[in-house]
Amino acid sequence: DTGVSQNPRHKITKRGQNVTFRCDPISEHNRLYWYRQTLGQGPEFLTYFQNEAQLEKSRLLSDRFSAERPKGSFSTLEIQRTEQGDSAMYLCASSPTSGRTLGSYEQYFGPGTRLTVT
Amino acid sequence: QKEVEQNSGPLSVPEGAIASLNCTYSDRVSQSFFWYRQYSGKSPELIMSIYSNGDKEDGRFTAQLNKASQYVSLLIRDSQPSDSATYLCAVNEGTGGFKTIFGAGTRLFVKA
Repeated sequence: DTGVSQNPRHKITKRGQNVTFRCDPISEHNRLYWYRQTLGQGPEFLTYFQNEAQLEKSRLLSDRFSAERPKGSFSTLEIQRTEQGDSAMYLCASSPTSGRTLGSYEQYFGPGTRLTVT
Repeated sequence: QKEVEQNSGPLSVPEGAIASLNCTYSDRVSQSFFWYRQYSGKSPELIMSIYSNGDKEDGRFTAQLNKASQYVSLLIRDSQPSDSATYLCAVNEGTGGFKTIFGAGTRLFVKA
């Protein structure tokens, strides 16, 4: 399977704990995105990378959230001191190229990581 | 804050009918528009992208874009029960921007 993969698929944690999620994009894709989705809402943009550079980060992202893509391949999203409001599906997506051809804007999503904070 | 608005539905259509899904957006300079399908408990799946005014057809799906009215629509012809899902409209911010804003989605139910 050469699609976007995410691990773990499910995570249950206690409030106050730190969690880390991993995303492996489609191999030739330069751009990688993180989103958060809650029930009844569309995906909410968190951040995106072009290669290893984090180019934009949502103002909604508090200091407890950090994302990295150290070698321009896989990415990690860490949430520190989790709160119950962090319970959501965390989605990763990737885009084909780093250029501005039309197809480079299309995003392909992984299966997501469902986080439950108790 | 840029916005993408969709009717939450549910939109219910009989099998074989045309389903029409609509979306408006607030960023006047947006250039890239997308429709995603999301089944319950699954991640979004790209159906269509559209970048120019007018219609774009792909199989049973037609996307329509009117930048002057800031309006995007998706038509699904010969609707099937397997089309029952939430349809998400997505718009990239700015001119050539890569940050994507999603609407909350419209739930479609196709009755057999």
